[in-house]
Amino acid sequence: EPEVTQTPSHQVTQMGQEVILRCVPISNHLYFYWYRQILGQKVEFLVSFYNNEISEKSEIFDDQFSVERPDGSNFTLKIRSTKLEDSAMYFCASSVRGQGIMEPQHFGDGTRLSIL
Amino acid sequence: QKEVEQNSGPLSVPEGAIASLNCTYSDRGSQSFFWYRQYSGKSPELIMFIYSNGDKEDGRFTAQLNKASQYVSLLIRDSQPSDSATYLCAVKGRTGGFKTIFGAGTRLFVKA
Repeated sequence: EPEVTQTPSHQVTQMGQEVILRCVPISNHLYFYWYRQILGQKVEFLVSFYNNEISEKSEIFDDQFSVERPDGSNFTLKIRSTKLEDSAMYFCASSVRGQGIMEPQHFGDGTRLSIL
Repeated sequence: QKEVEQNSGPLSVPEGAIASLNCTYSDRGSQSFFWYRQYSGKSPELIMFIYSNGDKEDGRFTAQLNKASQYVSLLIRDSQPSDSATYLCAVKGRTGGFKTIFGAGTRLFVKA
């Protein structure tokens, strides 16, 4: 069964450094998402992306965050100047369609980001 | 008011019993509803989705939706120890929205 893959599985970064999290969505999917989950807390929506542009973002997704689809397969989340509170599990997800009511999102295994 | 609310649990049931997990949501315009299972340290795994009032069955799982009451539930029949996990209720908003809003999850323990 096709799956969303994320790399790396664990990223350790010094506070203030830039970090890029990578995702390869399912190949026929057109809509891509990033979510984060701080340890012990709920999964939170960050951003959705379609047709090379952001379609929706949350208040968490401020100017330090950016997303990009640099080629036909990768989807990246960049955090420009990391803060301690950015430590979390970051999940990439994808779906065939974005706005259909029956459209579930399929999640990758996540990248655990630890900011020191 | 929280957008998606779940009892955090833990909910403990004996093996073979029915586990009942509940969720309420605040946005009356919500269109579709999902149940994900999340094992500790792992990613959410889709179990079921439902968008029409009533019941939807898939194997041992039954999702129930009542839009008038803004309530969605998941029943797990013949619970197994491997069902022990956190169950996340997720709601997709109004038509035209992309984001899925998650509840904090209910921890389920199935005792052998």
